[in-house]
Amino acid sequence: GAGVSQSPSNKVTEKGKDVELRCDPISGHTALYWYRQSLGQGLEFLIYFQGNSAPDKSGLPSDRFSAERTGGSVSTLTIQRTQQEDSAVYLCASSIDRGEKLFFGSGTQLSVL
Amino acid sequence: DAKTTQPPSMDCAEGRAANLPCNHSTISGNEYVYWYRQIHSQGPQYIIHGLKNNETNEMASLIITEDRKSSTLILPHATLRDTAVYYCIVRVGSRVGGSEKLVFGKGTKLTVNP
Repeated sequence: GAGVSQSPSNKVTEKGKDVELRCDPISGHTALYWYRQSLGQGLEFLIYFQGNSAPDKSGLPSDRFSAERTGGSVSTLTIQRTQQEDSAVYLCASSIDRGEKLFFGSGTQLSVL
Repeated sequence: DAKTTQPPSMDCAEGRAANLPCNHSTISGNEYVYWYRQIHSQGPQYIIHGLKNNETNEMASLIITEDRKSSTLILPHATLRDTAVYYCIVRVGSRVGGSEKLVFGKGTKLTVNP
């Protein structure tokens, strides 16, 4: 497709389980971002990838969160030992280059029971 | 922290112009003003951005004051589908190195009423 694709769109998991969220950015976009949005709240920055540079992980809330971007394209956000407070919409965005406008996916709704 | 201040909510009548203000009194010379909006249950959508000149596209107009300390997003003929949260963000543009992350504040919840 032409836009940013995220999967799954919804994920329900039990507390303590690990989850993986996937993001397919727009082809050719070198920058990729992960944000999360808790119910009724604003967007919280998590991590940023730019080309082959080291990612900016400054927004990751704990060491249970990690992300990787393989081949400069697809990215996976992994949350280990999920907690109920991890429940949120996880949004991925890409841009053609740093400082350019972001295109967002529709997000993954994560519910931790 | 976000470097912008916006009213938490606004109302507008359908068909009328919606004028959304944003204060960014600490903006630097190389920082652009970006506007995004988020319709319920969707990811944010880019609207427009500008440096110092007023800008217009098919979605909206952006008016930036001469001192660049504030701006106004104008939706000329608001429709019910424009009901959303509107975010004003300042950010260094790509031509001067670009900044990595967009910092979203709380935005303005615009409700367009029939």
